[in-house]
This record gives sequence, C-alpha cells and structure tokens, in this order.
Amino acid sequence: AQSVSQHNHHVILSEAASLELGCNYSYGGTVNLFWYVQYPGQHLQLLLKYFSGDPLVKGIKGFEAEFIKSKFSFNLRKPSVQWSDTAEYFCAVNSASGGSYIPTFGRGTSLIVHP
Amino acid sequence: KAGVTQTPRYLIKTRGQQVTLSCSPISGHRSVSWYQQTPGQGLQFLFEYFSETQRNKGNFPGRFSGRQFSNSRSEMNVSTLELGDSALYLCASIRGGGPNEQFFGPGTRLTVL
Repeated sequence: AQSVSQHNHHVILSEAASLELGCNYSYGGTVNLFWYVQYPGQHLQLLLKYFSGDPLVKGIKGFEAEFIKSKFSFNLRKPSVQWSDTAEYFCAVNSASGGSYIPTFGRGTSLIVHP
Repeated sequence: KAGVTQTPRYLIKTRGQQVTLSCSPISGHRSVSWYQQTPGQGLQFLFEYFSETQRNKGNFPGRFSGRQFSNSRSEMNVSTLELGDSALYLCASIRGGGPNEQFFGPGTRLTVL
C-alpha cells in the first residue's frame, strides 16, 4: 500500500521567512501529486498539482513544489510567508493510472506564521 | 458554480446508533469520495463512487457503507456507532473518472457520545 510522509507536523515561522514542507511517498509507479491547504474554518482546497512535465510546479499564492522522482519527494516551498498562510497543509498522492487506486494523504503540517 | 455541499454540518449521536450523511457533488462531477479526518490520523480514505458503483474502498470496517445515486449525489452510512467514529467526514468530488484534483465540501462534524 502506498504511504505519504510529511515530516514536519508543526511549523512556526515569522512573516517573510522562507518555507519548505517535506513530503515523501512510497508508491513506485507513475503518480499524480497534490498539495492541499485548509485555512482555519475553510474547506480543503488545492494549492498545486503535478501530473507530468516540468517537475517544478507553481500554485496559488506564491507556492511552488518540486517533484524529485529519484527521491520520491514533492516538497512545498514559498520564499516569503505571510500571516495569511497560517493553515494546515496536506500532501496527497494518487496513482496516475486511474482505475483502482486509493488516494493517500499525509497527516498534514500545521503552519503558524507570526506577524 | 455551486461547490460540494454536505448535510448535515453537525451531528451528535450516541453509541450504538446509526447515522447517514449526504453529499452533493459539483454539477457535472461523477465521482465522489469520502474521507474521515481526525487530528491523530489525518485524512483517511473511506470509499469512492463513480457512476453509482463503488470503485475503491479504504481500510474501514463494514459498519461504514455508502452509495451513489443516478444524479451523483452520495450518502454514507455508519451503523453501530462507536466513540472512535467521532470525526469530520469529508466528501470530495472529481470531474471525470481519473485520479484528478478533488473538490472538497465543508464536512460533517460527527460527535458520538
């Protein structure tokens, strides 16, 4: 069974600091990769996704993520965080072949940004 | 375009009871997935329905079941509730049938006393 590991469970930063959240997955086949964000009191929403092509993908609100196939990683980055980035971040993996698959989420990283 | 809607938003039940939660996907989306979200376990996949058929199932006991109707609306049922079933139950819809971006609803907060 595939698994997704998010190594940072809680991250506390000051505004303007740089952010990198780690995500590693175990599935050996072709994957679709996602980062979702859950702002306080709001729904989970997509931040960015990778299906194929350029391994550096850009999402909303200045976030980006890099897919490194050899490391089974899809780390999320933002050069300068803002107080409004305070949220819970989830990495997710789906098999790209569709059909019978189980979308797997990491346990989430809680990010608190101090103004 | 209306988003994913879930009803009810909050529910309080006692042990041993059963509960039914409802999810209406985004118009035109044919796939609906259900998740259980808890602070300790994060999001755990329950099952996915596509065109009224259960296509995938997570590792949950048989007390958890679901179905999808011809209009793509979905329900999940939990029978013989246990304290550990207290959680936020999320529904997500996907456009098309592949492992694509999921659009999540606000969830139903179930508390089992």
